[in-house]
Amino acid sequence: KQEVTQIPAALSVPEGENLVLNCSFTDSAIYNLQWFRQDPGKGLTSLLLIQSSQREQTSGRLNASLDKSSGRSTLYIAASQPGDSATYLCAVVGGTSYGKLTFGQGTILTVHP
Amino acid sequence: EAGVAQSPRYKIIEKRQSVAFWCNPISGHATLYWYQQILGQGPKLLIQFQNNGVVDDSQLPKDRFSAERLKGVDSTLKIQPAKLEDSAVYLCASSSMRQEKLFFGSGTQLSVL
Repeated sequence: KQEVTQIPAALSVPEGENLVLNCSFTDSAIYNLQWFRQDPGKGLTSLLLIQSSQREQTSGRLNASLDKSSGRSTLYIAASQPGDSATYLCAVVGGTSYGKLTFGQGTILTVHP
Repeated sequence: EAGVAQSPRYKIIEKRQSVAFWCNPISGHATLYWYQQILGQGPKLLIQFQNNGVVDDSQLPKDRFSAERLKGVDSTLKIQPAKLEDSAVYLCASSSMRQEKLFFGSGTQLSVL
């Protein structure tokens, strides 16, 4: 059974800092890994999707890396802003689960001015 | 492009009552998912449809939960009878293909008293 863990559970940083969110998964046989953002009272917004054959994806100030063999992914946020405050969720799709995402519990990020 | 629509936004019921949620996916998206998100946890897949067929319902409590997707478009999720532990946000998501980027609705927040 796939298990996804995110560290830290919560993070508070001053504006402008570069930061790293961590995600680990127990079964390395994944199809892809996705990072989502969730704002309070809202649904999830997909940020980045990394296929199992890729090592990283970038979008603006966000960069996600994937090390499938070690079961790890990191989300790097450059020059953080107060608008980045949200919960960030990592999810993996198993190699044989046909689209079933297994989510981590999320990292609550607060960026203060 | 219109997003995933869900209703109602909030629902408060007493235990043993029944409740239904509705989802309209993005036009043309063949795959539809229902997730349950308990406070402080990541979303958990309840059921996945491919067109109007069920792909995965292994984590759906079938003694009280049911879901259908008529004509491969809209979907409804029903709980009957509700229990206190069903209090959660119910998220609907859709994608154009299996295992690809998911688009989420804003969710229905259910409180069972």
